[in-house]
Amino acid sequence: SQQGEEDPQALSIQEGENATMNCSYKTSINNLQWYRQNSGRGLVHLILIRSNEREKHSGRLRVTLDTSKKSSSLLITASRAADTASYFCATDANSGGSNYKLTFGKGTLLTVNP
Amino acid sequence: DAGITQSPRHKVTETGTPVTLRCHQTENHRYMYWYRQDPGHGLRLIHYSYGVKDTDKGEVSDGYSVSRSKTEDFLLTLESATSSQTSVYFCAITRTGTDTQYFGPGTRLTVL
Repeated sequence: SQQGEEDPQALSIQEGENATMNCSYKTSINNLQWYRQNSGRGLVHLILIRSNEREKHSGRLRVTLDTSKKSSSLLITASRAADTASYFCATDANSGGSNYKLTFGKGTLLTVNP
Repeated sequence: DAGITQSPRHKVTETGTPVTLRCHQTENHRYMYWYRQDPGHGLRLIHYSYGVKDTDKGEVSDGYSVSRSKTEDFLLTLESATSSQTSVYFCAITRTGTDTQYFGPGTRLTVL
C-alpha cells in the first residue's frame, strides 16, 4: 500500500513561476524525503526533512512538514524548463527498525514550459 | 550516483523463462533494494538486503527471489517470468551514515 500520496498528479506551469507539490501520508514517520526522476532515468534525492523539523531549504527548494496533518509540501521557486520531471515523496516509517526502507508515493509530473 | 550499475539495461524475454537482473555497487554499502516502477503505481519495493546473505521481502515479493553472496552484488531473479512482471526495475542503496537512497539507472524488462 502507498504510504505517501502526492497531489496534484500533474502540474504545468510557465518558466519563472513557482511550483508547489503536496504529499500526504498515513502513519508516523522518522523522516520524509523528496526525489526527482527525469524521464527514463533513476530517482535522484533532493531533500530530507526529519519528523522534528518543520521547514527546510536547499537552493530553490523549500520543504515543509506538518506531522499533525501528516502532510508535506515541496516548493520549487523560479522554475526552469530543466525542472521538468516527476517528483516523489518517500517516507521512512517509524517502525523502530533500522532497515531504512522507504515507501514512495505515485509522484507528481511537473512540466515547466519555456 | 554512488557507483551503482544495473545489467542488463534492457531485456525482452518470453513467458515462463527465468530472468536474473544484477545490481552492482562499488562503495560497499550495507543496504540494497530492488523496486519495480509501473504507471499508476509509483515505485514498489520487491526485496531488500541488509547484508551478505541477509534479505527480506518487500511489498510485492511474490514471483521474485533475491540473493546477495557479496556486498557489491544484489541479484533479482524471476524464476518463471509472467507478463505482469513487465516493468522497469530499479536497484538502490542507502549510503552508509545517511537515510537517503541512491538509485541505479534501471532495467526495462518486457515479458512477451
